[in-house]
Amino acid sequence: DQQVKQNSPSLSVQEGRISILNCDYTNSMFDYFLWYKKYPAEGPTFLISISSIKDKNEDGRFTVFLNKSAKHLSLHIVPSQPGDSAVYFCAVSQGNLIFGKGTKLSVKP
Amino acid sequence: KAGVTQTPRYLIKTRGQQVTLSCSPISGHRSVSWYQQTPGQGLQFLFEYFSETQRNKGNFPGRFSGRQFSNSRSEMNVSTLELGDSALYLCASTPSGGLFGTQYFGPGTRLTVL
Repeated sequence: DQQVKQNSPSLSVQEGRISILNCDYTNSMFDYFLWYKKYPAEGPTFLISISSIKDKNEDGRFTVFLNKSAKHLSLHIVPSQPGDSAVYFCAVSQGNLIFGKGTKLSVKP
Repeated sequence: KAGVTQTPRYLIKTRGQQVTLSCSPISGHRSVSWYQQTPGQGLQFLFEYFSETQRNKGNFPGRFSGRQFSNSRSEMNVSTLELGDSALYLCASTPSGGLFGTQYFGPGTRLTVL
């Protein structure tokens, strides 16, 4: 059974608009949450993280929101740019890392 | 600074064989983690090494093993290959160890088992 779910395999957004990527997890004991971006033929790149003691972390155009009661994590990208087109993975940590299966984001000019 | 390097980039093996993959972390990084990526299962954590010791381990059978050398380079070995082992194997390094910090990933080794 998947402990981390990214229910949208793909997302298409217009340049300049907001991209919202979602992630749900099952175990309330997870204490650290991360987002990675992956381009084809490259390894994932760390984007942003948040610990369970916070509900929001912002880094430039990227903001991660954590809703512990709903066991839900989201990544907001504002404004979206064509270069943001990639696969985005959320990951949760409790000693080791568990990844979601990814959401492919396409940002159209 | 040079990034994480993995060799070889592509590998073709047959069932029952064994394979060794290599990962050189960024200079000064002491922690190396290994991951398997497949279309069906996504990205899965294999294990993490820090200062030559395995510190964390995912849920993979004992056919998957690894080691880390004193220069922080790491190898991963898969014995008695199965068709389902076909995947992209990624390694990642972090400066101070642990899985919480920023990880830098290599480009991966694409393993095909025939």
